[in-house]
Amino acid sequence: KNEVEQSPQNLTAQEGEFITINCSYSVGISALHWLQQHPGGGIVSLFMLSSGKKKHGRLIATINIQEKHSSLHITASHPRDSAVYICAAPTGNQFYFGTGTSLTVIP
Amino acid sequence: GAVVSQHPSRVICKSGTSVKIECRSLDFQATTMFWYRQFPKQSLMLMATSNEGSKATYEQGVEKDKFLINHASLTLSTLTVTSAHPEDSSFYICSAAGTRVPTSSYNEQFFGPGTRLTVL
Repeated sequence: KNEVEQSPQNLTAQEGEFITINCSYSVGISALHWLQQHPGGGIVSLFMLSSGKKKHGRLIATINIQEKHSSLHITASHPRDSAVYICAAPTGNQFYFGTGTSLTVIP
Repeated sequence: GAVVSQHPSRVICKSGTSVKIECRSLDFQATTMFWYRQFPKQSLMLMATSNEGSKATYEQGVEKDKFLINHASLTLSTLTVTSAHPEDSSFYICSAAGTRVPTSSYNEQFFGPGTRLTVL
């Protein structure tokens, strides 16, 4: 069993749809990261959150530390949101990464 | 936000040669840098953690003599793939954590854009 599980693995959405990506983890952490990886490979850190909710533009991330679960939401999705979204759980100096959710937004 | 750069972004080399990849934190002091490897369609795998001025800590299964890591300053870490072979072809990513702001902790990592290594 992976320490970090993401779902779904693949997601195709129509432009404008509301998207949710889920992440569950089994390790003890104080914060969780959501990362975005574009086809070229570069990674951008979207959020680091330890409780509650954070919002940046059309992106919203929530976390429930007690339930060890986090969600990433994209409102009014756009083709440029197409990427792989990865949740990562740090413990000590090690990161556990989810396998990623490949999102394709169709115009 | 904090910026981490990697150089080169792409490298192609012949089998048996050594390749050096640089990771720089441009606007903050990185006390800790992490090196990851990602094979196609797979998630990131942590290779090693390096603290400035100390020897790197390698993850299980990563050969320290093959993947030489140097973190000689607070803004630069290098990964050298020695005697590269085709199976070393991968996407190598570094991230850096440091003291950009007083409240920053090891949890706040900033990722470089990655280096794609192809060994022929």
